[in-house]
Amino acid sequence: DADVTQTPRNRITKTGKRIMLECSQTKGHDRMYWYRQDPGLGLRLIYYSFDVKDINKGEISDGYSVSRQAQAKFSLSLESAIPNQTALYFCATSKGGGAREQFFGPGTRLTVL
Amino acid sequence: ELKVEQNPLFLSMQEGKNYTIYCNYSTTSDRLYWYRQDPGKSLESLFVLLSNGAVKQEGRLMASLDTKARLSTLHITAAVHDLSATYFCAVDAFSGGGADGLTFGKGTHLIIQP
Repeated sequence: DADVTQTPRNRITKTGKRIMLECSQTKGHDRMYWYRQDPGLGLRLIYYSFDVKDINKGEISDGYSVSRQAQAKFSLSLESAIPNQTALYFCATSKGGGAREQFFGPGTRLTVL
Repeated sequence: ELKVEQNPLFLSMQEGKNYTIYCNYSTTSDRLYWYRQDPGKSLESLFVLLSNGAVKQEGRLMASLDTKARLSTLHITAAVHDLSATYFCAVDAFSGGGADGLTFGKGTHLIIQP
């Protein structure tokens, strides 16, 4: 079984709709992250969380919100989706100390029409 | 603000050749990561470089880190077609007093032709 899972894997929605992307992990890591990937731009950090009570904005948090429901679950919401939020979204996890290597989920491809 | 620059962004090379991808970053950090991404797939961790002078090798790939020059390199030796992918470097600014999370380069799209 995959250590980091994301649902849904693909989603097509319309402008103005509310969308939630979910991430679950079985790695026991305390830190979780949401990134978006756009062609030619690499990955950019949206939000990150050290634990259930500690959530922080990343580089491009406008238009997004998150919820850390448990250590293992971290959700990303688009309250009112717009076309320029069409992208590939990745969840990642890491331990708090040591190498802090991040492990990525399979990604969610979101299209906003 | 941390900036990470990779070059080249596109690289087409022949099997059997050697080449180097460069990753420069703009602020203090002693943690740098290399990832591989195949089309439509997630990111696979290749190397974790945690100190100045760190060198890691796996097969035909070797990565190094010079924190004083703020430069990492990913060297490909005797390239084979299976290494065709997009390669990303990413820097962790947290150790230098920055925010958590990784800052990525734009990626190097590598095509290796027979």
